Amino acid sequence: DAEITQSPRHKITETGRQVTLACHQTWNHNNMFWYRQDLGHGLRLIHYSYGVQDTNKGEVSDGYSVSRSNTEDLPLTLESAASSQTSVYFCASSPGTSGNNEQFFGPGTRLTVL
Amino acid sequence: AQTVTQSQPEMSVQEAETVTLSCTYDTSESDYYLFWYKQPPSRQMILVIRQEAYKQQNATENRFSVNFQKAAKSFSLKISDSQLGDAAMYFCAYRTRGTDKLIFGTGTRLQVFP
Repeated sequence: DAEITQSPRHKITETGRQVTLACHQTWNHNNMFWYRQDLGHGLRLIHYSYGVQDTNKGEVSDGYSVSRSNTEDLPLTLESAASSQTSVYFCASSPGTSGNNEQFFGPGTRLTVL
Repeated sequence: AQTVTQSQPEMSVQEAETVTLSCTYDTSESDYYLFWYKQPPSRQMILVIRQEAYKQQNATENRFSVNFQKAAKSFSLKISDSQLGDAAMYFCAYRTRGTDKLIFGTGTRLQVFP
């Protein structure tokens, strides 16, 4: 069955370290997204991609970067982790922008920055 | 910019009873989509129901239905015959037609009591 996976599921790191969170989907979806979930804020969009080599900034992109070298993967990199980036991170994908397409979410990664 | 507001941080309902979760949104667009997502303790985001703004008929999915009031920019979720498995965080989300970016509310935590 097609799916979307994230790794690691849990990560503890130190301030200033570079961290990369992986996202992999097997639906062959064009669109992929990264969100962070914080209490009192719901989910907020970090970066998104509408296809290979396409990346765009979302609402809370400072301190994060993404790259899209193939259809299946959209890794999220924290260049220099900060305590404010402690959060739960969700990756999502969808087939396109037409119609009322559903976004399919991964299981989430809980990141703690000490 | 579009915004989504969920004014009820927490709600509770007795098993088999009906509960309504509120959502309001702000947009200058006329064509858009609205969604309700459920997030159980497992953290997995699950689409519950979706509504297209140009459809006047309220969407229904089994025990879940919406009351969509376009002029009032209101999109409430009604859960009938509540079950213990309905206990979760519920997020309202908005998407403008032609984009694939979701804007989420802050969520409502629903407790279901036996």
